[in-house]
Parts: sequence; C-alpha cells; structure tokens
Amino acid sequence: AQKVTQAQTEISVVEKEDVTLDCVYETRDTTYYLFWYKQPPSGELVFLIRRNSFDEQNEISGRYSWNFQKSTSSFNFTITASQVVDSAVYFCALSGYAGGTSYGKLTFGQGTILTVHP
Amino acid sequence: DGGITQSPKYLFRKEGQNVTLSCEQNLNHDAMYWYRQDPGQGLRLIYYSQIVNDFQKGDIAEGYSVSREKKESFPLTVTSAQKNPTAFYLCASSDRGSGANVLTFGAGSRLTVL
Repeated sequence: AQKVTQAQTEISVVEKEDVTLDCVYETRDTTYYLFWYKQPPSGELVFLIRRNSFDEQNEISGRYSWNFQKSTSSFNFTITASQVVDSAVYFCALSGYAGGTSYGKLTFGQGTILTVHP
Repeated sequence: DGGITQSPKYLFRKEGQNVTLSCEQNLNHDAMYWYRQDPGQGLRLIYYSQIVNDFQKGDIAEGYSVSREKKESFPLTVTSAQKNPTAFYLCASSDRGSGANVLTFGAGSRLTVL
C-alpha cells in the first residue's frame, strides 16, 4: 500500500523567511510519481510539480524548490523569501505508473497549513 | 477558459436525504475523479472514471454512487447510506498519456448534514 506522511500539520512564518515543507512516502512500486499541490482559501487545488521516480534532480522554479531523495523516500518543498500570498494548505501526493490502471489515483498526505504573516 | 465547474458550492442536507453534486469539465479530459477532503486527513478517492460509461470504486466508495454518461460530466450522489457525509468534495480530471496523472481540480462543494 502507498502512504504519504506530512509530519508538519501547521507552520507559521514571517514574510521573507524561508520555509521547508516535509514529505515522506512509502511505496512498493519501482516506477512512481510524486506531486505537490497548493490549496489556497478558495479551495481549488493547484498543481505545482510532478517528479518521476527516475529523476532525482532537484528543481527550482522561482522562489520554489524541490528536493527529491530516493534514499530517504522524501520529497521536500522549500519556499524561499516567503510571501503572504504563499499562505495555503500544501499537499504532497504519490501515484503509480501513469500508463497503468492507477493513473490519477493519487495518495495524498494530510496536508500542511502554511501561514505567512506580514 | 477551460476548467472544471462544481455545483453547488455549499449544500445543506437533512439526514436521510440523497444529494447530487455536479461536476462538469470542458478540458476534453478522458478521466474524472471524486475526492473527499476532511480536516487533517488529506484527500481520499471516492470514485473515478477513465472512459464514458465506465467507473471504478476508490478507497471510500461506500454510501456514494456516480454515473458517467457524457465525457464532460461526472455527478456524485451522496446517499443516505453514507454515515458521515459532512465534508468538502473535490472533483478532478486528467488526460491520458504522459500527463495522465496530473489532476486538474474544481473549486469544490462543501456538504453539511444538519
């Protein structure tokens, strides 16, 4: 069975601080995908990133960066110089191989509520 | 703009009543999904459909039913058999191929049982 754990339930920071959201996963699949989604107060989940299990390169997109470490089954997300608009619930998720029957069946973590204070 | 429309945004129901949540997408995506979100539990998959006239149970299908008569529509019925229906319900869709498991979500429907 697949499992995703986001140990940080809530994080509170002051604007311009850097913040890292942790994600640890469990799966028996050799091919899998990891995701991060953002859920602002409006409720709609917004896709941020997808990484496959064969690509361990870290990725940076503006103030966002992701650190994928297969050895520790972690896929952590860092926001640099946080802003008030970053306040949201962030979900880490895991799915099996997209070409199989499990595509779209994501296993989500519990979510981390990030509050950025001005 | 393409996207997913869920309605109603808020819904109140008396115990024992069935309610249907609407989900429409104009993204021409093949697959559609229903997830349930409860505080502190993340999202859990209720039902999903990869093609028209076919759907599969997810992890928590008991007390729910769906239909997929049209590609763009995937309504969810919360039946009286669902013991704890108060939750936030999210509909999503995805395309086949390399982006198959990248989900696009609607804005959600919040159901409260009185």
